Amino acid sequence: QVHLQESGPGLVKPSQTLSLTCSVSGASIKTSEFFWSWVRQSGRDLEWIGYIFYTGITYYNPSLRGRISVSIDTSKNQFSLQLRSVTAADTAVYYCARDSRRGWVDSWGQGSLVTVSS
Amino acid sequence: EILLTQSPATLFVSPGERATLSCRANQTVYSDLAWYQQKPGQPPRLLIYDGSTRAAGFPARFSGRGFGTEFTLTITNLQSEDCAVYYCQQFSQWPPGSFGLGTRVEIK
Repeated sequence: QVHLQESGPGLVKPSQTLSLTCSVSGASIKTSEFFWSWVRQSGRDLEWIGYIFYTGITYYNPSLRGRISVSIDTSKNQFSLQLRSVTAADTAVYYCARDSRRGWVDSWGQGSLVTVSS
Repeated sequence: EILLTQSPATLFVSPGERATLSCRANQTVYSDLAWYQQKPGQPPRLLIYDGSTRAAGFPARFSGRGFGTEFTLTITNLQSEDCAVYYCQQFSQWPPGSFGLGTRVEIK
């Protein structure tokens, strides 16, 4: 059974870069079956951020494009998120997730609360 | 942009009764709709995909139906462990998909 775990700072200052890493166990991320995604949640508002395929192909939510980058390290079975120029509006729980390639998420990490504050 | 409206925001149901949750899209999503269950302090958990296919681990008292713009999640014989927030998500226009704001199910 796949297990995903986010790691990274819980506090980021405004205008700085939010960085999170997702470690995947129980399955290889070097697979054509799934995308590897980031989703964030603020209250009841869930927002899909972007995904990466094991080949490095990415897609980002247009609302965040220009500030976001997602990378993958298949040797470590990890993928990462960077969100630049953060503001308080980026405060949320960030989930890494496995995406079915059809659009639904079938596995989620436990989530990492990131607060943007000086 | 496809917007999803879930109703009601909160639903109170007696144990053993039926809970009916609604998800409406502002344009057709065909059957490209998923439902997730989220309990406090936990990530969402995939419950239904393709409108009506139940994900592994959920009992048959959870069922989804609908097509186009109107979808329903039904929980029959409600149990206390079913108390959660339920979200719908469309993946017809994906990426990115979009989520509704959820319906909280509570025991009456």
